[in-house]
Amino acid sequence: DAGVTQSPTHLIKTRGQQVTLRCSPISGHKSVSWYQQVLGQGPQFIFQYYEKEERGRGNFPDRFSARQFPNYSSELNVNALLLGDSALYLCASLGAGTGRYEQYFGPGTRLTVT
Amino acid sequence: GDSVTQMEGPVTLSEEAFLTINCTYTATGYPSLFWYVQYPGEGLQLLLKATKADDKGSNKGFEATYRKETTSFHLEKGSVQVSDSAVYFCALSDRNTGGFKTIFGAGTRLFVKA
Repeated sequence: DAGVTQSPTHLIKTRGQQVTLRCSPISGHKSVSWYQQVLGQGPQFIFQYYEKEERGRGNFPDRFSARQFPNYSSELNVNALLLGDSALYLCASLGAGTGRYEQYFGPGTRLTVT
Repeated sequence: GDSVTQMEGPVTLSEEAFLTINCTYTATGYPSLFWYVQYPGEGLQLLLKATKADDKGSNKGFEATYRKETTSFHLEKGSVQVSDSAVYFCALSDRNTGGFKTIFGAGTRLFVKA
């Protein structure tokens, strides 16, 4: 089975622009979470979605939004990009029957804002 | 709120040396605890986990024991290899308001010299 996939792999945007990142969870997994990892730091929780509903939100501004589709894939949108949004954005999926709260991470999308 | 504190790096060891990376946590509930590893240019891989007090997680020669009394989850390996060079993240996951979130430590970079 394929693991968690994310697209694009790399992205360069200019300040003020908008970006959409995509994630496909492991087949059968219904929960997707998004994390931001700034260089040299640990990942920070942004959102969790389960069955197309938001179930958790981290301490990020309203410029960050997400949604989950009927096939459980997800998009993360960031508006009005700032230089500080430059980071590796990680998606993780969790499925029923896996180890308690055990998440599987994708390779990430590296966003550079210039 | 919940938090994870792990020892600062970098940690530099010679091949076959003993490894300990300290991790302590603060949580209001009964979290699951994890160690993730991140190799250069890659996403996060789950290394081991423990879901309740006194559980020992182990994988690839790495071990960590969930110590509720000291709120710790220290990572150990008896004999490190050059291929173990990576960044190691301690993390906890707990349920909150119908969803869950994972809190990561800042990461500890390990260099193993041949």
